[in-house]
Amino acid sequence: EVQLVESGGGLVQPGGSLRLSCAASGFTVSSNYVSWVRQAPGKGLEWVSVIYSAGNTYYADSVKGRFTISRDNSKNTLYLQMNSLKPEDTAVYYCAKAGGGTALVLGYWGQGTLVTVSS
Amino acid sequence: DIVMTQSPDSLAVSLGERATINCKSSQSVFYRSNNKNYLAWYQQKPGQPPKLLIYWASTRESGVPDRFSGSGSGTDFTLTISSLQAEDVAVYYCQQYYSTPPSITFGQGTRLEIK
Repeated sequence: EVQLVESGGGLVQPGGSLRLSCAASGFTVSSNYVSWVRQAPGKGLEWVSVIYSAGNTYYADSVKGRFTISRDNSKNTLYLQMNSLKPEDTAVYYCAKAGGGTALVLGYWGQGTLVTVSS
Repeated sequence: DIVMTQSPDSLAVSLGERATINCKSSQSVFYRSNNKNYLAWYQQKPGQPPKLLIYWASTRESGVPDRFSGSGSGTDFTLTISSLQAEDVAVYYCQQYYSTPPSITFGQGTRLEIK
C-alpha cells in the first residue's frame, strides 16, 4: 500500500528556512515521479515542484530559486528545502506520487504538514 | 502559463440529481501526437488531501464510482456526477498537466453542496 507521511512543518519567521520531509512506503521514491503541492488556508491548490525518476527537477515560478526538491534513496524519502520564506508561503504542504500512468497526475497524497511564515 | 478557470465557484444540487462542473483552459491541453487531453479532476473533502477522480479528461481512476464522469476536449471540459450522493459534498478541482517544461496548474475549485 502506498503511503506518504509529511513532516517538518512549523512556525518560521519571514526570511527563514525550513526543510520538509516526505517518508514514502509501498513504492520506491527514486523510481517514481513525486511532487509537492501546497494549499494556503481556505484557498485552492498550488503545485510547487516535481522530481522525476531520472532526477530532473521542476518548480513553480513562485518558488524558483528559493525552494529545492531532493530525495534520499537510502531513506526512501523526499525533501523540500525552503529558503527565504515569505508570509505568502504559509500553507499546508502535501507530497503526492504520480498515478494515472503519467508524471503529473497525482494519484496518491499524504496528509500534509502546515508551514506558517509569520513574525 | 496555462490558466484554468472553473465554473461555477459553488453549486447546490439535490440528492439524486445531476451535478455539472465546468473547466476551461486558457490554451488547448490536447496533444495530437497521442490524441490525449492532459486534464485531471480531483475531489477534496474538508480536512482531507485531494483525491484523484479522472485523468486524461475521461479516464476514471480505479475505485471511483461510475456516477463520476469526465468529458470535453481542447479547452473545455466537464465533470459530471450523474446522481448526487451525500458523500459527494466536497470541493472539486480541475488540473492541467500539458505544460512544457513540466508544470501543473489547478482551477480555483468548485464547492459542491446539497440543496
